[in-house]
Amino acid sequence: NAGVTQTPKFQVLKTGQSMTLQCAQDMNHNSMYWYRQDPGMGLRLIYYSASEGTTDKGEVPNGYNVSRLNKREFSLRLESAAPSQTSVYFCASSEQISSAFGWSTDTQYFGPGTRLTVL
Amino acid sequence: AQKITQTQPGMFVQEKEAVTLDCTYDTSDPSYGLFWYKQPSSGEMIFLIYQGSYDQQNATEGRYSLNFQKARKSANLVISASQLGDSAMYFCAMRAFTSGTYKYIFGTGTRLKVLA
Repeated sequence: NAGVTQTPKFQVLKTGQSMTLQCAQDMNHNSMYWYRQDPGMGLRLIYYSASEGTTDKGEVPNGYNVSRLNKREFSLRLESAAPSQTSVYFCASSEQISSAFGWSTDTQYFGPGTRLTVL
Repeated sequence: AQKITQTQPGMFVQEKEAVTLDCTYDTSDPSYGLFWYKQPSSGEMIFLIYQGSYDQQNATEGRYSLNFQKARKSANLVISASQLGDSAMYFCAMRAFTSGTYKYIFGTGTRLKVLA
C-alpha cells in the first residue's frame, strides 16, 4: 500500500518548456487535489477533482491544466513554464465518510512532493 | 470568507515540555473540519489530528491533542512531552463546504524547534 505517489521528485525546466506532473493513489479515494507550496504562504489549491471525470479550479489555477485519467491518477500539466511556477507541488487524495450526524468528514493524504525549478 | 490564521511563525520548546501552536479560523459553513499536519525538513506532509465542528470532545491522538474552542473559533494543537523529532513545520487546515463543494484552506504554518 504505497498511499499517494508523485513523479518526478525533482525537475528543472527552462522558461517556456512544458511538463506533466504525475500523481497516483491506491487508497480508492474519490477526491484528488493539486497544491503548490511557496515559502511563507502555506499550501494553495491549484485544481481538484471531487470524483472521476470531474475537475474544478482552485485558488491559483492560471498556467496549469489537469486530467483525472481514472480513479487512481490525477496529472498536472504546465503548458509553458514560467519562473513564477517555481515551487513545491503536492498531490493529495481524500475520502468522504458519512457519520451518524449526516455530515461527512474526510482527511487528505499527501504525496511526497515535486520540487520544480523554472529558470 | 473562509480563512485560517496561524500567528506564530516560529516557536521554541524545551525537550519534554508541552507546547501549544495557535490556529484561528473563520467560516460560514456550520459543518466544517479542522486538521493539523506536520511537515518535517524532509518535506512530506503528515496528517496528525482531526476535529469536526460537531464533535463534543477535543480530539486526541497520542501526544497530540486539539484544544477546540468553537465560540472563539480556535483550534490550537497541543503537543505534550516534546521530542527532538517534533521539530518541524506545522500547518493548520480547514475543510468547509462552499460554492457547492468542499474546499481546503491552509494556514501559513508555524515552525517548531525542540531544544535538547
